[in-house]
Amino acid sequence: ETGVTQTPRHLVMGMTNKKSLKCEQHLGHNAMYWYKQSAKKPLELMFVYNFKEQTENNSVPSRFSPECPNSSHLFLHLHTLQPEDSALYLCASRKEVGDSGYTFGSGTRLTVV
Amino acid sequence: LAKTTQPISMDSYEGQEVNITCSHNNIATNDYITWYQQFPSQGPRFIIQGYKTKVTNEVASLFIPADRKSSTLSLPRVSLSDTAVYYCLVALMNRDDKIIFGKGTRLHILP
Repeated sequence: ETGVTQTPRHLVMGMTNKKSLKCEQHLGHNAMYWYKQSAKKPLELMFVYNFKEQTENNSVPSRFSPECPNSSHLFLHLHTLQPEDSALYLCASRKEVGDSGYTFGSGTRLTVV
Repeated sequence: LAKTTQPISMDSYEGQEVNITCSHNNIATNDYITWYQQFPSQGPRFIIQGYKTKVTNEVASLFIPADRKSSTLSLPRVSLSDTAVYYCLVALMNRDDKIIFGKGTRLHILP
């Protein structure tokens, strides 16, 4: 356990479904992140939240919608996804932007059918 | 943006010391060097970070020469459980958009 908890661990959804990924940390971290890791591709930064404010959107399609209600929780809302969106979605946090290292969760393995 | 180059894969044996070198010829003055470890279907785990010379913690050592154009992650006495992908990152720590995880080095430990 890293202190960053992601649910669900696995998710299969159809292209017309709406689902949400959840990330929770009680490490006292103020910066939270969503990353995407596709098979055989490097991790891609998707979104950054710093003190609940979105500070980075790395040209992510609008079918991915993040939400950060407080510093401990981060959501990624999914709708009308494509099969190429199938990947491991990782949440990470760090005490603040500029802190030394990220703490990652174990990820949600998403399959879009 | 400092580009990093690492070997794609390495094999070693249990009990050996493993050194993984990362090249970063255009590292900037304020960039830090950070290494992460990732097991299959898990998120990366922070291992060690340094700016210059040598840094050691309970898991690994990081050697950085004076010109900082490369760095070497040293894992002492590896075990089978050290089989993982190791990422070298070089970036300003306050610029999330510049912290790039490349393809990493796939380390395979043999019995």
